[in-house]
Amino acid sequence: GENVEQHPSTLSVQEGDSAVIKCTYSDSASNYFPWYKQELGKRPQLIIDIRSNVGEKKDQRIAVTLNKTAKHFSLHITETQPEDSAVYFCAAVVDQFYFGTGTSLTVIP
Amino acid sequence: GAVVSQHPSWVICKSGTSVKIECRSLDFQATTMFWYRQFPKQSLMLMATSNEGSKATYEQGVEKDKFLINHASLTLSTLTVTSAHPEDSSFYICSARGGQASGANVLTFGAGSRLTVL
Repeated sequence: GENVEQHPSTLSVQEGDSAVIKCTYSDSASNYFPWYKQELGKRPQLIIDIRSNVGEKKDQRIAVTLNKTAKHFSLHITETQPEDSAVYFCAAVVDQFYFGTGTSLTVIP
Repeated sequence: GAVVSQHPSWVICKSGTSVKIECRSLDFQATTMFWYRQFPKQSLMLMATSNEGSKATYEQGVEKDKFLINHASLTLSTLTVTSAHPEDSSFYICSARGGQASGANVLTFGAGSRLTVL
């Protein structure tokens, strides 16, 4: 199956700074790349996604970039706020959803 | 939006007993549901893909006789942990693909089930 790697595993930033999380995948057939946010004790929630025919997508403070040639995609959060603190998962999708190992983001007020 | 309901949210059982977890799509038909296992502070590990009306597809290393999956209708998939042992203690999350409003590729998660085997 698909192998998705995610870095870093933990990330601490000062409030207002930017945070970047990177993922790589192995299956060139993957064509959909969602990002999920999981707050402590809660279910993962979709925050943004990108399809393989698009290189970049932005939604307010969140953006995702995709490089299909290099098989990597990244999540960018600007002007971070304490409520952004959570675990973030990337995923690469062909038929099944394969998740990265997660990044625990802490935004320090 | 699409809603997935998962029950029970937590269960404690004795070693050797079986536990059933239900996953329901409340406002859409889910031809495909996925079952994940999540260890503390770790990622979501795909266990199996559940297709309505057919046998589940299990990931490598997941015992199909241990984790029985049934997807008898378009809105319900169940995971039964048979003869549970302490090492089966974990957080199990189901998810469903779809809803028309959400898009065929959007994955909606249940709230998860915390299983503790004594």
